[in-house]
Amino acid sequence: SQTIHQWPATLVQPVGSPLSLECTVEGTSNPNLYWYRQAAGRGLQLLFYSIGIDQISSEVPQNLSASRPQDRQFILSSKKLLLSDSGFYLCAWSDGPTGELFFGEGSRLTVL
Amino acid sequence: AQKVTQAQTEISVVEKEDVTLDCVYETRDTTYYLFWYKQPPSGELVFLIRRNSFDEQNEISGRYSWNFQKSTSSFNFTITASQVVDSAVYFCALSGITGGGNKLTFGTGTQLKVEL
Repeated sequence: SQTIHQWPATLVQPVGSPLSLECTVEGTSNPNLYWYRQAAGRGLQLLFYSIGIDQISSEVPQNLSASRPQDRQFILSSKKLLLSDSGFYLCAWSDGPTGELFFGEGSRLTVL
Repeated sequence: AQKVTQAQTEISVVEKEDVTLDCVYETRDTTYYLFWYKQPPSGELVFLIRRNSFDEQNEISGRYSWNFQKSTSSFNFTITASQVVDSAVYFCALSGITGGGNKLTFGTGTQLKVEL
């Protein structure tokens, strides 16, 4: 069966520090991968999605970047964190363009 | 642009009551998909259902049922005989199939509190 894991689960970082959140999927090949952010107030915002290795689409201009160095690995990064980057980050995968998304456990980032 | 509206920010019910969570959507796509997700306090989003735009049959899964009405652009979710374990935030979501990725647009969620 397919599984998705992301880490770290919790992160507290100072403003201006770098960020790296990692997500891996197992049990499937060539998944579509996604990064969402959930800020206070519960709305989920799509940040990046990827349909293949090194194929990343950005949905919102921001301080973050994403990379997909391997088929089942998706990384969210920042060179310098801002206070506004605080939130709950969720990685997800889907099997093709019409399938449901399956989410990881989430990573809670607090920028101080 | 796609939009999902969940007008109910928070609902409180007593256990065993039935509760309906409303979802209204906007899209210009003729083919689209609708979803419901549950987010318990642990934070992980749990997939509940997917429905395509051509299938307006209502669906029942145990205590859960969904009413899709294309004429009113609504996809409502009913929990029958609610239980404390149903307490969570519930999200309705919509996707088109353009761009090669399944980009879900989420509503802002409805916090459901089920009390004893």
